Amino acid sequence: EVQLVQSGVEVKKPGESLKISCKASGYSFTDYWIAWVRQMSGEGLEWMGMINPGDSDTRYSPSFRGQVTISADKSISTAYLQWNTLKASDTAMYYCAKHSGGPADWGQGTLVTVSS
Amino acid sequence: QAGLTQPPSVSTGLRQTATLTCTGNSNNVGYEGAAWLQQHQGHPPKLLFNRNNNRPSGISERFSASRSGSTASLTITGLQPEDEADYYCAAWDRSLSAWVFGGGTKLTVL
Repeated sequence: EVQLVQSGVEVKKPGESLKISCKASGYSFTDYWIAWVRQMSGEGLEWMGMINPGDSDTRYSPSFRGQVTISADKSISTAYLQWNTLKASDTAMYYCAKHSGGPADWGQGTLVTVSS
Repeated sequence: QAGLTQPPSVSTGLRQTATLTCTGNSNNVGYEGAAWLQQHQGHPPKLLFNRNNNRPSGISERFSASRSGSTASLTITGLQPEDEADYYCAAWDRSLSAWVFGGGTKLTVL
């Protein structure tokens, strides 16, 4: 069974850094791209970017390029989403998803709140 | 950023048929088709169809997907109360080298 287990709720202040994780199991981690998706409260889904854990090839949505960094550690089957300088507007639910013809399997989400 | 266009809301009666649309262009939906996802309030999205119109196991046969040119459609027959949810389409955009989502359609079952 494919499982994507994300790290827990985060409450941060503007200007702080953050790295959230997504641990995969139940399939060959290096065979499928992993994407990150943002959902702000009451809003739709926004595709942020994805990584090929096999070779670390990374693609970003133009809206998120330069704002976040996506990485992966294939030795522990874990993908990451990182911010260097958080803003209040980064407050949202963040999902990771395994791609197979689309975002096929989803993590449970990580709620990130950025507030002073 | 170019995205996909979905009607914000659709309302249809119980046991009726609903058809949701997703309009893109030749660089996304018209290129490799669209995936469809369902999201109930407070839950992660669930894939209904990948971009090849393949339905994962466990997805009801009441759901079907099709494409004509740059418009993808999701049809739900015999609407049930549990079908009330938000529905999103997603497609690979070759001009952006990125996936894009539609804005989502809120389906109400009357």
